[in-house]
Amino acid sequence: LAKTTQPISMDSYEGQEVNITCSHNNIATNDYITWYQQFPSQGPRFIIQGYKTKVTNEVASLFIPADRKSSTLSLPRVSLSDTAVYYCLVVNQAGTALIFGKGTTLSVSS
Amino acid sequence: DAGITQSPRYKITETGRQVTLMCHQTWSHSYMFWYRQDLGHGLRLIYYSAAADITDKGEVPDGYVVSRSKTENFPLTLESATRSQTSVYFCASSGTTYEQYFGPGTRLTVT
Repeated sequence: LAKTTQPISMDSYEGQEVNITCSHNNIATNDYITWYQQFPSQGPRFIIQGYKTKVTNEVASLFIPADRKSSTLSLPRVSLSDTAVYYCLVVNQAGTALIFGKGTTLSVSS
Repeated sequence: DAGITQSPRYKITETGRQVTLMCHQTWSHSYMFWYRQDLGHGLRLIYYSAAADITDKGEVPDGYVVSRSKTENFPLTLESATRSQTSVYFCASSGTTYEQYFGPGTRLTVT
């Protein structure tokens, strides 16, 4: 199973770009990388997924290097409402690699 | 309303009692999941189901039982609740394993 390692916490200010890196050294060939966001007292919410290179949507970008042993979630111009816990998750189609890890608590200040 | 719901939202029970947490989704998603979330442990997968009548163990299945007779429902039963099962339980569903939609959670306290 592909275990993930993320920083426990990060601090930022409004308007800055935030990059959260996740390490997944033993990722398998068919595994995908996904990221979730969780606010207090709510279930996690899917943000983005990728297999390699770069993926961008209206919320974030995901950068994955060629060796796929890490990935970086990039949040452009964060606001106070982006304060949350962010989870990196490596999954495969069979669903046998669903280990969330402890996540990164992002705190955004004004 | 479309979506995923969990019931009850809050439950207090005593050690040794049987408790069933309900999960219902209206999207006809094939996959459904049960997680528990505890301080210091993040989210841990208890059981998941790829389709009706197909279930499989996750990271922490001991003490839990699941069934899935209908695509839309995925109940989780604690056969004999213990204090260590005090947690917040999240149900999720997905058309694949990649993008999961989570319910609001059930906060369970075992006294």
